[in-house]
Amino acid sequence: AQSVTQPDIHITVSEGASLELRCNYSYGATPYLFWYVQSPGQGLQLLLKYFSGDTLVQGIKGFEAEFKRSQSSFNLRKPSVHWSDAAEYFCAVGAVDFGNEKLTFGTGTRLTIIP
Amino acid sequence: EAQVTQNPRYLITVTGKKLTVTCSQNMNHEYMSWYRQDPGLGLRQIYYSMNVEVTDKGDVPEGYKVSRKEKRNFPLILESPSPNQTSLYFCASSSETGTGVNTEAFFGQGTRLTVV
Repeated sequence: AQSVTQPDIHITVSEGASLELRCNYSYGATPYLFWYVQSPGQGLQLLLKYFSGDTLVQGIKGFEAEFKRSQSSFNLRKPSVHWSDAAEYFCAVGAVDFGNEKLTFGTGTRLTIIP
Repeated sequence: EAQVTQNPRYLITVTGKKLTVTCSQNMNHEYMSWYRQDPGLGLRQIYYSMNVEVTDKGDVPEGYKVSRKEKRNFPLILESPSPNQTSLYFCASSSETGTGVNTEAFFGQGTRLTVV
């Protein structure tokens, strides 16, 4: 069965600084990988996704992520964070599990931005 | 506008009183699912449906029921809620790609349920 690990529960960065959120996955076949963001009181919004092809994927709001098969990682990056990026971020792997097109989520990383 | 709509957004109820959380999508998606979100556990799948009248258990189905009588609607039913079902619930929908894997799941705004 697939699994996702987000090792950082909480990260604090200064506004304007760069950001990297870590995500490691476990899945036996080619993974379908996603990053979602959840702002306070809101649902989940898709930031970006990787299905195949170029391992560096661009998303909305200036985010990007790089798929590294050798490290089973799909880390999310942003060169310069804005106060509005404060939210919780979830990495997920999509897989077919006995016909269930299921998303398995990590436990999330809460991002705090300080002035 | 493409959206997944859940109601209610907030609900406080008492142990044992049956309740239903509704979910509706306007994208003609085949696949719908319910997740619960708990601190430190992320989102866990409760039930899913691959199409009308086709439903099955996810990872944490105990204490929940679902139905899929119409393509657009996928209600979550708690027949006898208990305090351990206090959580934030999300409905999601997506279309099948032909490869059989999610392309993108669209999520509702969430329903915060408190069972006292």
